[in-house]
Amino acid sequence: ETGVTQTPRHLVMGMTNKKSLKCEQHLGHNAMYWYKQSAKKPLELMFVYNFKEQTENNSVPSRFSPECPNSSHLFLHLHTLQPEDSALYLCASSLQGLDQPQHFGDGTRLSIL
Amino acid sequence: EDKVVQSPLSLVVHEGDTVTLNCSYEVTNFRSLLWYKQEKKAPTFLFMLTSSGIEKKSGRLSSILDKKELFSILNITATQTGDSAIYLCAVGAGNNRKLIWGLGTSLAVNP
Repeated sequence: ETGVTQTPRHLVMGMTNKKSLKCEQHLGHNAMYWYKQSAKKPLELMFVYNFKEQTENNSVPSRFSPECPNSSHLFLHLHTLQPEDSALYLCASSLQGLDQPQHFGDGTRLSIL
Repeated sequence: EDKVVQSPLSLVVHEGDTVTLNCSYEVTNFRSLLWYKQEKKAPTFLFMLTSSGIEKKSGRLSSILDKKELFSILNITATQTGDSAIYLCAVGAGNNRKLIWGLGTSLAVNP
């Protein structure tokens, strides 16, 4: 149990589908993040939320849409994805700020057909 | 351009060996260096280093930072098969407190 829970663990979807990834943290942290992890690439930060406000969007295509309704929950809405979007999507949280220790969820393994 | 380079990219050792993993960086306005261990699932936090020359230790793992030569090492003594994982290094930098990740070192410990 990592304190950060992600669902679903695995997701297979077609390019025309719409789905959402969910992340929940029970650590009382104020910052939450979405990362993309692909083989042979460094972790790619996608979105940053501090106190429910989006503070960073690292040139992520609009087919990825984040939502942070409160400081414990984070969603990533997916639509019209491409095969190159297949990857492990990790959610993380920290007390404050990216350069503080982050707690990660187990990730959602996403496959686009 | 900010960058973090980890070496080696992969390593295979036998149980009981000692390993040293390296993380070199070139960033503007260094703030912190963090080590994580990733087995099959979530990366888990190991150490955060901000000051040069002060060793952080947790059991058989230890780490130290050299801010003059711009690198950190992670040592694992008396390795066990449970140490098999990818070890990730990340550097916090810049006034906007961004985090730059390395590619990781894949460690396999054979019995």
